[in-house]
Amino acid sequence: KNQVEQSPQSLIILEGKNCTLQCNYTVSPFSNLRWYKQDTGRGPVSLTIMTFSENTKSNGRYTATLDADTKQSSLHITASQLSDSASYICVVSVFVAGNQFYFGTGTSLTVIP
Amino acid sequence: GAGVSQSPRYKVAKRGQDVALRCDPISGHVSLFWYQQALGQGPEFLTYFQNEAQLDKSGLPSDRFFAERPEGSVSTLKIQRTQQEDSAVYLCASSTRAGSNTDTQYFGPGTRLTVL
Repeated sequence: KNQVEQSPQSLIILEGKNCTLQCNYTVSPFSNLRWYKQDTGRGPVSLTIMTFSENTKSNGRYTATLDADTKQSSLHITASQLSDSASYICVVSVFVAGNQFYFGTGTSLTVIP
Repeated sequence: GAGVSQSPRYKVAKRGQDVALRCDPISGHVSLFWYQQALGQGPEFLTYFQNEAQLDKSGLPSDRFFAERPEGSVSTLKIQRTQQEDSAVYLCASSTRAGSNTDTQYFGPGTRLTVL
């Protein structure tokens, strides 16, 4: 069964600190990997998307990395803010006769003052 | 509108009732997706439309689930004879193009369905 696993499940950090979230996947054939931020009670919002040939992508204070050989990705958040408190979801896409998307269960991040 | 909208935002149904959930995608978006998100879990794919054509319904959990997009814009997800295990947030997403593997999906706020 194709899987996308994220760690840690939850994380609490102090405002201003950095953190790194992990995503490991076994999905094949790989098409692309996305990171989403989901605030409580809202739909996910795209942060980054990386294809097979890309190994890093930045969006402001968010930097995603991808190692397609080891099937691992990370999302690094720099200088965290209270508004970063949310669930961060890793999504791996398989392109077989159209896109299929496999979602991780997310990492719940809480930033405290 | 500026984004994907869904209605109702909250729905409470008695077991056995039928429900209909509506999604208004961003105007002009070709692709539309439905997902089911259980509490504390990531979304799981249900079905995908390209314009009015339902190209993939492999994620629908049973024949009680039915989705349509008759004019290629608004979509409705219908659940017949609801069961308690159907309780979840139902997310709709749309994207600009058809068949693109890098297109951004824009999600609606979801409909939280609770089956008593």
